Amino acid sequence: NAGVMQNPRHLVRRRGQEARLRCSPMKGHSHVYWYRQLPEEGLKFMVYLQKENIIDESGMPKERFSAEFPKEGPSILRIQQVVRGDSAAYFCASSVRMSSYEQYFGPGTRLTVT
Amino acid sequence: GENVEQHPSTLSVQEGDSAVIKCTYSDSASNYFPWYKQELGKRPQLIIDIRSNVGEKKDQRIAVTLNKTAKHFSLHITETQPEDSAVYFCAASSGGNQFYFGTGTSLTVIP
Repeated sequence: NAGVMQNPRHLVRRRGQEARLRCSPMKGHSHVYWYRQLPEEGLKFMVYLQKENIIDESGMPKERFSAEFPKEGPSILRIQQVVRGDSAAYFCASSVRMSSYEQYFGPGTRLTVT
Repeated sequence: GENVEQHPSTLSVQEGDSAVIKCTYSDSASNYFPWYKQELGKRPQLIIDIRSNVGEKKDQRIAVTLNKTAKHFSLHITETQPEDSAVYFCAASSGGNQFYFGTGTSLTVIP
């Protein structure tokens, strides 16, 4: 039973480019959460999605960031016009349903903006 | 919103000793408290969790206690081993929603 998958594991972008991060939840899980971890800091919530719905995006910056979880395929976190401050590890987690407590994390995508 | 504070930020113990990490939370609606272990460059791994209807939970060398009245919970690791060295994060949630994480405790177990 494969765990949460994320790709790419490492991503380098120049300032102004777009970054696309993908997350495939665990089999049977339909809820995805995205977190950002700055170096030597804790994880900060960004967005919570269910298939085809954004449930809570209160942690997402208002500009340049967007997320989706289509009916088919992985969840995607998109960062447009990246800046150096976007450099961080981005983790997604999945849970089986809204009332489920446990969240299981993927290996993360380490974004470096040069 | 919820605010989770975690102490200490760094902790060094001798192999075989116990380690205790403490967290406080602010939102009385929080009812689920997981603990994650994160090794360098790796994903956070759930090691133990506790729900608000329980005061203590134990799994081998790891235990978690919860004091709902005082709004704090603690992780206890007994008989520490070098492989316990990692960053540990506490979190609080009202269930099915986002986790609010503490800032992490870097634990070093000295052989």
